[in-house]
Amino acid sequence: DQQVKQNSPSLSVQEGRISILNCDYTNSMFDYFLWYKKYPAEGPTFLISISSIKDKNEDGRFTVFLNKSAKHLSLHIVPSQPGDSAVYFCAAPSQAGTALIFGKGTTLSVSS
Amino acid sequence: NAGVTQTPKFRILKIGQSMTLQCTQDMNHNYMYWYRQDPGMGLKLIYYSVGAGITDKGEVPNGYNVSRSTTEDFPLRLELAAPSQTSVYFCASSLGTGEAFFGQGTRLTVV
Repeated sequence: DQQVKQNSPSLSVQEGRISILNCDYTNSMFDYFLWYKKYPAEGPTFLISISSIKDKNEDGRFTVFLNKSAKHLSLHIVPSQPGDSAVYFCAAPSQAGTALIFGKGTTLSVSS
Repeated sequence: NAGVTQTPKFRILKIGQSMTLQCTQDMNHNYMYWYRQDPGMGLKLIYYSVGAGITDKGEVPNGYNVSRSTTEDFPLRLELAAPSQTSVYFCASSLGTGEAFFGQGTRLTVV
């Protein structure tokens, strides 16, 4: 049973446009969410997070939005750059707080 | 700081062989994890540890063992390798339940 779902395996965007990556979750007890970015042959790296007490968190070109009633969050990248091409994972701490639960990831391709 | 270091980066094993994937971190993190990533499947938790001497199973522990004798090291042991264990393995560490730091991964092929 997937608790964190990324239903779009891939997304293609032109350079300069907005990229929107989506994530849904099933456990209403989740109170913190993270986005990770992964390049080929590298480990995932932390990108941005959001606590459930907020509905938006911004860091430069990256903004994460949280809609608790819909159990949905999204990562916006504006403007998208070719270097943003990577796999993006949505994650949440398990209810026991012992580890992160990851979605399957979305591969973003930004063309110039 | 090196962060989280995994060795080896690549390995080919024959069915039935055993090996240990090494992981060490220099951030004094109490929490350490092993994940595996299969194509299109995200990262699945194999084992985790909340401190030296304490380990527990994750989502997919079968065929693996771990130990945590020091804060820094968290080796993953594969006994009797099977083709289903072909995957990319990531070790990670964290202070608690927030941001985790990952190693560069070990790509394992079992033939």
